[in-house]
Amino acid sequence: QVPLQGSGPGLVKPSQTLSLTCAVSGASINSGSYCWSWLRQSAGKGLEWIGLIYTNGNTNSNPSLRSRVTISIDRSKNQFSLKLSSVTAADSAVYYCARSEAGSWTPFDYWGQGSLVTVSS
Amino acid sequence: QSVLTQPPSVSGAPGQRVTLSCTGDNSNIGAGYVVHWYQHLPGTAPKLLIYGNINRPSGVPDRFSGSKSGTSASLAITGLQAEDEAYYYCQSYDISLSGSGVFGGGTRLTVL
Repeated sequence: QVPLQGSGPGLVKPSQTLSLTCAVSGASINSGSYCWSWLRQSAGKGLEWIGLIYTNGNTNSNPSLRSRVTISIDRSKNQFSLKLSSVTAADSAVYYCARSEAGSWTPFDYWGQGSLVTVSS
Repeated sequence: QSVLTQPPSVSGAPGQRVTLSCTGDNSNIGAGYVVHWYQHLPGTAPKLLIYGNINRPSGVPDRFSGSKSGTSASLAITGLQAEDEAYYYCQSYDISLSGSGVFGGGTRLTVL
């Protein structure tokens, strides 16, 4: 098992930056065998992949969100983080962190339980 | 709306067989990208159920099976059990999003 635990403010004001952190247990985030993703699910909508980070710090993200997404990794704390800037009500969602094997078209084999974020003034 | 289309709900009686569909197009499933399936109970972490169209991770019962044909994929569950009541999501990838992962809207499975 590889527990992932997301954390961060549950309420963010419009136009501000949403910040979330995912702490990883049971596996080293330094392992080059894996990459670490953020996903979200808005109320009444399906899941949306936001982006990922590799152990070497390289990132990739959904083109629809790329201009607002920053994903970083903290190897000393075995965690990775998401920043989403200029948020609006449309960014209100349950945000998940997840792991997948590095490589093409690999599934998310472990997920966090999700962190609810509401964008409201 | 979601890139992949799933029926909002499916139901079946204990012991029955149900099939959950996932429909895409030639920019995702039809382009040859693999399909993965996840089981999700709200408030918990989603669980990988099927990967690479047909493969089950260790620990997933063989009551669950996946298939893919053309622009669609299916998840079949045989010997339906009360514990199978959950949301099920399919995932693939899409050329128009530079190969980004895309999901279906999810199917709520109710065990009658």
